[in-house]
Amino acid sequence: AQSVSQHNHHVILSEAASLELGCNYSYGGTVNLFWYVQYPGQHLQLLLKYFSGDPLVKGIKGFEAEFIKSKFSFNLRKPSVQWSDTAEYFCAVRGYGNKLVFGAGTILRVKS
Amino acid sequence: EADIYQTPRYLVIGTGKKITLECSQTMGHDKMYWYQQDPGMELHLIHYSYGVNSTEKGDLSSESTVSRIRTEHFPLTLESARPSHTSQYLCASSTDSPNTGELFFGEGSRLTVL
Repeated sequence: AQSVSQHNHHVILSEAASLELGCNYSYGGTVNLFWYVQYPGQHLQLLLKYFSGDPLVKGIKGFEAEFIKSKFSFNLRKPSVQWSDTAEYFCAVRGYGNKLVFGAGTILRVKS
Repeated sequence: EADIYQTPRYLVIGTGKKITLECSQTMGHDKMYWYQQDPGMELHLIHYSYGVNSTEKGDLSSESTVSRIRTEHFPLTLESARPSHTSQYLCASSTDSPNTGELFFGEGSRLTVL
C-alpha cells in the first residue's frame, strides 16, 4: 500500500527564514502529488499540485515544491516565510486505486 | 472559496447515542469523501462515493455508515457512538475529471464521545 512520510511534525521559524518541509512517498508507479494547507480555524485547501511536466511546481503565496522521482520526494519550499504562513501542511499522493493518501502533517509556527 | 459545508462543527455526546454528521456541497461534484483525522496522524479515508447510490468503504475500517441519495448530500452515521469514535471527521468532494485531482474540504466535525 502506498504511504506518505512527512519528516517533521513541528517546525518553528522566525519571519524571513527559509522553509523546506520534507515529503517522501512509497509507490513505484505514476503518481500525482499535492500539498494542502490548513490555516488555524479554516478548512484544508490546495497549495499546489504536480501531475506531469516541469518537476518544479509553483503554488499560491510564494510556495513551490520539487518532484524528485529518484528520491520519491516532493519537498515544499518557501524562500522567506511570513507570520501568516503559520498553519498545518499536508503532503498527499494519488497513485494506485486513484485515491488520495495523506501524510501526518507538519505544523509550522512562524514567530513574528 | 470552497462550497462544502459540515454540521455540526463540534459535538459532545454520551456513549451509545446515534449521531449523524451532515455534509453538503453546492458544486455539483460527483465524488465525495469522508476522512478521519486524529491529532498528529494522517488523514485516513473511511468512506467515498462516486455518485448517487454509490458508496464504498475506504482504507481505514470504520463502524460508521454513509448514504448518497442526492448528489449534494453525503451524511455519515454512527448508530451507537463509543469513546473510540472520538476524532475529527472531514468531508471532501472533487470533480469527476481525473486531471484536476483537487479535493475541496469542509471545515470538519469534531466529535467527542464521553
